[in-house]
Amino acid sequence: GQNIDQPTEMTATEGAIVQINCTYQTSGFNGLFWYQQHAGEAPTFLSYNVLDGLEEKGRFSSFLSRSKGYSYLLLKELQMKDSASYLCAVNRGSTLGRLYFGRGTQLTVWP
Amino acid sequence: GAGVSQTPSNKVTEKGKYVELRCDPISGHTALYWYRQSLGQGPEFLIYFQGTGAADDSGLPNDRFFAVRPEGSVSTLKIQRTERGDSAVYLCASSPTENYGYTFGSGTRLTVV
Repeated sequence: GQNIDQPTEMTATEGAIVQINCTYQTSGFNGLFWYQQHAGEAPTFLSYNVLDGLEEKGRFSSFLSRSKGYSYLLLKELQMKDSASYLCAVNRGSTLGRLYFGRGTQLTVWP
Repeated sequence: GAGVSQTPSNKVTEKGKYVELRCDPISGHTALYWYRQSLGQGPEFLIYFQGTGAADDSGLPNDRFFAVRPEGSVSTLKIQRTERGDSAVYLCASSPTENYGYTFGSGTRLTVV
């Protein structure tokens, strides 16, 4: 099977910066996605990395190192509304659009 | 429509019954996916449609699960002889093509009692 690991829980305070790590071991790689999921809601797309390096989009940035099988999602200037589960997902390429998801990291932002 | 629509939002059924879950993707999206998500887990792939055909159904857990997309738009996930272990949130997603970021629907929460 595919192995995608991310921490189960993280906490941080408003205004801080938090980094959520994801490591993966998959047979084949064609991109890594990050999704945000608030409790009881659908996942929403945050970022996509297929090449090594950092992609920045407002307060959120995502990094990929293909050689290390590693990605992180960086959230800056945290707000209470950022409390959610953050899902890392890998596209293997050989399996068309199918994504393999990690279990998600539950982030709690405290005032 | 503007987003992916799933109906019903909640479904409670008795063990052994048959259920149908509906997904209406974003207009023009050719790729449609079904996932299911249990509490505390990430979404787990079930099936992928490209147009009308199931391009990959390897995630369907057994032959009680079946899905169709007869006209390349709306899809229905069908579960026969439901079991308590089928209880989960069933998510549908669509994208313009494969290998592109999905838009998920809000899901159907299925509870088998």
